[in-house]
Amino acid sequence: QTLVTQEPSFSVSPGGTVTLTCGLSSGSVSTTYYPSWYQQTPGQAPRTLIYSTNIRSSGVPDRFSGSILGNKAALTITGAQADDESDYYCVLYMSSGVSVFGGGTKLTVL
Amino acid sequence: EVQLVESGGGLVKPGGSLRLSCAASGITFSNAWMNWVRQAPGKGLEWVGRIKRTNDGGPIDYAAPVKGRFTISRDDSKNTLYLQMNSLKTEDTAIYYCATNRDFDYWGQGTLVTVSS
Repeated sequence: QTLVTQEPSFSVSPGGTVTLTCGLSSGSVSTTYYPSWYQQTPGQAPRTLIYSTNIRSSGVPDRFSGSILGNKAALTITGAQADDESDYYCVLYMSSGVSVFGGGTKLTVL
Repeated sequence: EVQLVESGGGLVKPGGSLRLSCAASGITFSNAWMNWVRQAPGKGLEWVGRIKRTNDGGPIDYAAPVKGRFTISRDDSKNTLYLQMNSLKTEDTAIYYCATNRDFDYWGQGTLVTVSS
């Protein structure tokens, strides 16, 4: 079964820039996987940040951006703020019709 | 404003059944693909399955761990999505969310299902 890979944890300084990635255990991520990104804080439902690779969801600040970097999807946060400290999940839509979430990245801002 | 409200969660014994509902408002429900996503305590998000628009036809897709045990359905006249869960296992314990479309653009707040003896 195809696994979607994410960094388990990442750290960024306030005001800094961080790029989280979303890869495949086998193969490369492309726009045909419609990669999307979600932010989740403890006890809350996920919040959609980016969908279809690079489209920001309504109300999401433009310091969040999505792209394809090499063979992975990427979420870049520019000018990190304290309230960006959250878990971030990506999801890929497979050609078979199933969706697979990555294991999530715990982002620390310090 | 889009609202998705899940209900039907609770405590059930292993081997038991439960039906979850997701009531939608603020969207044209009949035009939306609908998903179920779950999150076990302290774990990440796991896609459970998806039903496309009624007019799209085609199969309902399920994740391997639930295929054959869970059934997704929808009632467009009631703007409601359902998840029938049978032969429940302890590892099905999770918060169950409904979410819209391929991109999961809108999410409900979730309903907790606990499978325990």
